Amino acid sequence: DAGVTQSPTHLIKTRGQQVTLRCSPISGHKSVSWYQQVLGQGPQFIFQYYEKEERGRGNFPDRFSARQFPNYSSELNVNALLLGDSALYLCASSFGPATDTQYFGPGTRLTVL
Amino acid sequence: AQRVTQPEKLLSVFKGAPVELKCNYSYSGSPELFWYVQYSRQRLQLLLRHISRESIKGFTADLNKGETSFHLKKPFAQEEDSAMYYCALSATQGGSEKLVFGKGTKLTVNP
Repeated sequence: DAGVTQSPTHLIKTRGQQVTLRCSPISGHKSVSWYQQVLGQGPQFIFQYYEKEERGRGNFPDRFSARQFPNYSSELNVNALLLGDSALYLCASSFGPATDTQYFGPGTRLTVL
Repeated sequence: AQRVTQPEKLLSVFKGAPVELKCNYSYSGSPELFWYVQYSRQRLQLLLRHISRESIKGFTADLNKGETSFHLKKPFAQEEDSAMYYCALSATQGGSEKLVFGKGTKLTVNP
C-alpha cells in the first residue's frame, strides 16, 4: 500500500486564482482530514470528512471548501487565493473519525505570488 | 476553546541523556491526546496515543489531568530521535471532531 497520496506535490498560483488539491486515502479508510501547515507552525485543522459527510470544520473562511467522493478520495478547493494561503496542505486518512490514528500524506506545497 | 501548548520550540540534548518534551492542553471535555513525529524528509506519523499506554521507540507519555499535561519522555536519547515532535488533542464539540496540534518542538540529539 502506497499510503496516503496527494497531488500535486507543488503548486504556484497568483492572488485571486483558485486551486484544487487532491487526496487519496489508504485503502479501507473512510475518513479524510485536511490541514494547513504554515512554516514554523503545527498543522491547523481545516476539514474532516467521514463517510462522505462533513464531520468537522476549522476556523477557515468560506473560500475554503472540500468534498469527499464515493471512493473516499477528497478534494480541497480554495478560491480567491491570498498571499497568506501559502502553506503546506496536508491530508490525513483514518478508518474512523478524528479519534482514530491519522495517517498523513506528504503534503502539497502551495505558493501564492 | 481547545488549545495545545508546547513551550519549547527547540530542545537539544546529548546522546544517552534523558529527554522530556513538554505538552500542556486546554480542553473542557475528556481529552484524547497524541504525540506525532516528523523525521527529516518523512511524513508526519503517530508516535503514541495516551489510551494505548504503549512505549514506542522507548518513549512514554502520561496524561496528567490535574496538570493538564501530556509530556513525552525518554530515559536515554538516541541520535535517531532527532526530529520534529507535535503534541495533538482530539476535540469533539457539537458533533464536530478535529485534531488540534501544538506548534511543535524540534529535538536535536547531539553525539
